[in-house]
Amino acid sequence: QVQLQQWGTGRLEPSDTLSLTCSVSGGSFSGHFWTWIRQPPGKGLEWIGEINFGGPANYNSSLETRVTISIDTSRNHFSLSLTSVTAADTATYYCARGPGDYFDIWAQGTLVTVAS
Amino acid sequence: QSALTQPASVSGSLGQSITISCTGTSRDIGAYDYVSWYQQHPDNAPKLIIFGVTNRPSGFSHRFSGSKSGNVASLTISGLQAEDEALYYCSSFTTTNMIFGGGTKVTVL
Repeated sequence: QVQLQQWGTGRLEPSDTLSLTCSVSGGSFSGHFWTWIRQPPGKGLEWIGEINFGGPANYNSSLETRVTISIDTSRNHFSLSLTSVTAADTATYYCARGPGDYFDIWAQGTLVTVAS
Repeated sequence: QSALTQPASVSGSLGQSITISCTGTSRDIGAYDYVSWYQQHPDNAPKLIIFGVTNRPSGFSHRFSGSKSGNVASLTISGLQAEDEALYYCSSFTTTNMIFGGGTKVTVL
């Protein structure tokens, strides 16, 4: 059974770079889209972007100047980098698997707080 | 791309049926049969409950069903149970982004 486990820094200061990694175990890494989604405290979900094996990453147009999603197929990892964070980037960040139009497996989430 | 519109809250009694609407536009829900729904209990990650407008993941309860008419998708929960009390989010594919609704809090009376 496919499982996702994520990790990264939970507390940042304004202007820092957010970095999170998601590890995929128990299934194939190819043939799927690997996605990052975030949820500000008490608010709804926001799609950040996705990457698939051998293809380019796609990003939310509202974040694309600051976000990079990369993939390491040798270690079954994919990562999120978000530069120049502000308090508005405070959220629980989730990595998830999908075929591109839905997300069937989610990791546990990482709360990232941006504060000075 | 604007978020999809959902009612903030819906409530129903045990055993009743409720329906949650998700309103989009002709550029998202109206254009593609790629609507999905997610259930989120407090302090948990969202869980997929409907994909492709009407499809349930393997093993998921048949009490949950999805539909779509024009730019509006709907999630119906029949035979409401206490464990159905949660947040529910709709999502749609678009040509540029995946977008979500603001979420609907379901309360079981």
